[in-house]
Amino acid sequence: NAGVTQTPKFRILKIGQSMTLQCTQDMNHNYMYWYRQDPGMGLKLIYYSVGAGITDKGEVPNGYNVSRSTTEDFPLRLELAAPSQTSVYFCASSVRTGFNQPQHFGDGTRLSIL
Amino acid sequence: QKEVEQNSGPLSVPEGAIASLNCTYSDRGSQSFFWYRQYSGKSPELIMFIYSNGDKEDGRFTAQLNKASQYVSLLIRDSQPSDSATYLCAVKGPGGNNRLAFGKGNQVVVIP
Repeated sequence: NAGVTQTPKFRILKIGQSMTLQCTQDMNHNYMYWYRQDPGMGLKLIYYSVGAGITDKGEVPNGYNVSRSTTEDFPLRLELAAPSQTSVYFCASSVRTGFNQPQHFGDGTRLSIL
Repeated sequence: QKEVEQNSGPLSVPEGAIASLNCTYSDRGSQSFFWYRQYSGKSPELIMFIYSNGDKEDGRFTAQLNKASQYVSLLIRDSQPSDSATYLCAVKGPGGNNRLAFGKGNQVVVIP
């Protein structure tokens, strides 16, 4: 059981380039989330989705876009990379039912914008 | 805007001692509370959750919740070097989207 899989693990981008961070889960979870974590900080929610075709903004959505065409996949798109987007990005998923359901995290993508 | 505060600086404890971590939250409607452990360079992993007032024990870990005072704590008994990590407090507010608000985390260093 792979859980939540993120690719790539590391990436260096130049300012102004674009890229897509991939996230897929095989647990049939309805809910999926994208976070960023800056050094010494907690996790900040970028976007989340409660099911295929449904996405919503989190705390820090500017500069990012998402889509959710299937239950399994939730890619995060950076259109014009900026140095402020240098961070570690985590994708997570959870089941829908039960208020005490935890979120399960992928291994993260370390992204540097130079 | 929900806020989750973990204000303590790095915590150094000798091996075998108790490590105590605290977390306060601002939204009185918060329903569930989670403690995640994050090793350096790794992803967060769930160690405990609690949603009722009082204590919940799981092995060497005890979570304590006081909704009236809006705080949740984590005790690590018989601390081991493998407990050296950052501990993140996460709070789920009302609503059905399972969104979590995270604190900045507390670093714990267990000294052999």
